[in-house]
Amino acid sequence: DTEVTQTPKHLVMGMTNKKSLKCEQHMGHRAMYWYKQKAKKPPELMFVYSYEKLSINESVPSRFSPECPNSSLLNLHLHALQPEDSALYLCASSQSPEGRNYYGYTFGSGTRLTVV
Amino acid sequence: GDSVTQMEGPVTLSEEAFLTINCTYTATGYPSLFWYVQYPGEGLQLLLKATKADDKGSNKGFEATYRKETTSFHLEKGSVQVSDSAVYFCALSGNAGKSTFGDGTTLTVKP
Repeated sequence: DTEVTQTPKHLVMGMTNKKSLKCEQHMGHRAMYWYKQKAKKPPELMFVYSYEKLSINESVPSRFSPECPNSSLLNLHLHALQPEDSALYLCASSQSPEGRNYYGYTFGSGTRLTVV
Repeated sequence: GDSVTQMEGPVTLSEEAFLTINCTYTATGYPSLFWYVQYPGEGLQLLLKATKADDKGSNKGFEATYRKETTSFHLEKGSVQVSDSAVYFCALSGNAGKSTFGDGTTLTVKP
């Protein structure tokens, strides 16, 4: 299995809703990432988990809450989002949990989130 | 801090034309360098990589050589196809445990 699987593929939520994005990989990668990508822009790093522990938080607002229940799963809990949070949310994993990455990332297909 | 600069797009080519997408970087030390491709409606896919000076990454007819002296990692393909139409991102990974991406270059190949 060489894939990163993200669910759901599309999500529409109101500003008062609570929802979760899910990400799963079975490649034995010990680093997992959440990225946010706006249209026609590069992905922006949000969070990094290394060995199931949060190692990097890029000053993301608290309405985004990551969780790594085990080495294969990564969740992103969403609460009280704003319309400007509408974007493609990408999960990625890597064989390099720390320091310089020699292998690159494996990305999922993303969740297209629309906040109304 | 680390940075990646890609040639501005969009780039439009006819099928079988030669492709070059320029990428230069600024980083401390010796980063790993990557090219990713993103097809419409999909996530990014790793296209090729190089981890030290003079390494050549290659995949699916695409090539890029890690040039330390010019801090560049230009993407090339000898004969593009319509199916190569996508957005291409150059990226580097330094010692901080995260990657820096360029702004992306949109390639459109016309039959």
